[in-house]
Amino acid sequence: GAVVSQHPSRVICKSGTSVKIECRSLDFQATTMFWYRQFPKQSLMLMATSNEGSKATYEQGVEKDKFLINHASLTLSTLTVTSAHPEDSSFYICSASYRSDGEQFFGPGTRLTVL
Amino acid sequence: QKEVEQNSGPLSVPEGAIASLNCTYSDRGSQSFFWYRQYSGKSPELIMSIYSNGDKEDGRFTAQLNKASQYVSLLIRDSQPSDSATYLCAVGRYNFNKFYFGSGTKLNVKP
Repeated sequence: GAVVSQHPSRVICKSGTSVKIECRSLDFQATTMFWYRQFPKQSLMLMATSNEGSKATYEQGVEKDKFLINHASLTLSTLTVTSAHPEDSSFYICSASYRSDGEQFFGPGTRLTVL
Repeated sequence: QKEVEQNSGPLSVPEGAIASLNCTYSDRGSQSFFWYRQYSGKSPELIMSIYSNGDKEDGRFTAQLNKASQYVSLLIRDSQPSDSATYLCAVGRYNFNKFYFGSGTKLNVKP
């Protein structure tokens, strides 16, 4: 149980375009979903936290107008990287939680490459 | 001061040895503690969770928690080359929507 999927697993796009990444909890309803970014050989960096039906809470330094998060249902959250630039190339990972102790279940990640 | 501190490593141990990974945290009110394993290029996967002082064993893994010292550790017995990965410590409070991850300790198990 507690499976989280992400789509796409890998995406290559041109600079200036927007990319949408989906995160789904397949067998549970997620009260909270998290979005992380990880650059090569660096640690996870939390970008934002979202609850279903409410606005996401962004971490300091993360541009909310550039990284749009929509948590439309208890099983789906999307991250849209708008006007992507090469420096946005990274490994984006979502996680979902349904338990009060906060255990997070991670999706497999999406590798974004912006040319 | 970071919320969760881990030695970045790498920690090298020979196959069959015990690997000891350590983590300290700053929030004395923390209530839930997790160890995740992350292979290169993959997302983290949960290894252990622990909520009360003492030891918790699951197969070759033992998590140890000492809230007074604000310290949590992970022991891996009979280490295997397949255990080579980065191990992330995560700490949080009940009903809080934010959990803090350490930067991870890279473990190398040499055949």
